Amino acid sequence: DSGVTQTPKHLITATGQRVTLRCSPRSGDLSVYWYQQSLDQGLQFLIHYYNGEERAKGNILERFSAQQFPDLHSELNLSSLELGDSALYFCASSVGVLGGTGETQYFGPGTRLLVL
Amino acid sequence: EDKVVQSPLSLVVHEGDTVTLNCSYEVTNFRSLLWYKQEKKAPTFLFMLTSSGIEKKSGRLSSILDKKELFSILNITATQTGDSAIYLCAGAFGGTSYGKLTFGQGTILTVHP
Repeated sequence: DSGVTQTPKHLITATGQRVTLRCSPRSGDLSVYWYQQSLDQGLQFLIHYYNGEERAKGNILERFSAQQFPDLHSELNLSSLELGDSALYFCASSVGVLGGTGETQYFGPGTRLLVL
Repeated sequence: EDKVVQSPLSLVVHEGDTVTLNCSYEVTNFRSLLWYKQEKKAPTFLFMLTSSGIEKKSGRLSSILDKKELFSILNITATQTGDSAIYLCAGAFGGTSYGKLTFGQGTILTVHP
């Protein structure tokens, strides 16, 4: 158990809908990262927040948005869902900003999203 | 664009065999290289490497980094069926990649009894 929690574990929804994925980082971690993992794309970085501020953006669609709240939990909002959005969504956390100190990211268990 | 490439993509061995997984990277500002093991769900951290030539070891697993040749290897000796997993290599880089991990495609390791 990494200490990173994600809810829900599984989510099944229809195309066109909107969902919210939630992540709580490890105690003491200020950074939250979101990743998408699909069979054909592998693990892709979406977005990084540090202490409430967006710090880096990856291959995140405009239909997706995220935020990190004052209590450091983060939410990833996916809207106008398409079949191709079906994937495993991971949240990871680290104490500071990865790359600056070479520190490790710890991953949550993931949310499996299925869009029908 | 920073890139991480792993090989082989898939490997099938028998218990007791030794395997070597490869990870090469092309980056502008290297910070560290990380290895993760992914079984059913979340990747779990194995090693972080920042310095060339220093081997990190944990039980039957070991890893080393060559910053001059821009690659890393992960060795698993005396493999067991429980080693079956996807092994992911990821780079923590600076510049435009600062603050994120860039993952390779992963190596799927299957260990047969």
